[in-house]
Amino acid sequence: SQQGEEDPQALSIQEGENATMNCSYKTSINNLQWYRQNSGRGLVHLILIRSNEREKHSGRLRVTLDTSKKSSSLLITASRAADTASYFCATMNSGYSTLTFGKGTMLLVSP
Amino acid sequence: DGGITQSPKYLFRKEGQNVTLSCEQNLNHDAMYWYRQDPGQGLRLIYYSQIVNDFQKGDIAEGYSVSREKKESFPLTVTSAQKNPTAFYLCASTPRGPGELFFGEGSRLTVL
Repeated sequence: SQQGEEDPQALSIQEGENATMNCSYKTSINNLQWYRQNSGRGLVHLILIRSNEREKHSGRLRVTLDTSKKSSSLLITASRAADTASYFCATMNSGYSTLTFGKGTMLLVSP
Repeated sequence: DGGITQSPKYLFRKEGQNVTLSCEQNLNHDAMYWYRQDPGQGLRLIYYSQIVNDFQKGDIAEGYSVSREKKESFPLTVTSAQKNPTAFYLCASTPRGPGELFFGEGSRLTVL
């Protein structure tokens, strides 16, 4: 079952611009995570935000979580061509055993 | 270097054949996972194991089998019962607990 749904499905921006991706989910979570995937490669963990946190930063990444709206956003500031990839949100269930992934947002950053 | 190794990277199979995908980790992680990725579908959980000699079905376990005889190894067999096996398969692991997943580089299976 798909828990998270990312929006938009695809995003195209110029280098230097900010990129914002959104994730909505359906059931209660313990944490929400964002991952990045370059084409044909494995996923790489970017950031984890717990259900009792509202905002978290890591370098050029800023993640927010609104549990009342069951939504999260990932902001990448000052995008670079190297940020071109697919980005996935994933939610950890209450049993702490599995992560459920969304379908992802494909980000294209043009030089 | 510590990490997760999946092999082979590319695999071709004829219909009706079973095939086994290898996943090895040297991170000393307790939990291991297999996901399937299809274009536009995101990742779907096939099987997972939280401890040696124990594993649980995920959302799409039909047509797949796994074993967990060693902590570092979690092979996935795609059987002939899997109706549409062509996909990108990803193995992941995590220390016990709700932390981040560490992924391998994936195995792409194509059924001819």
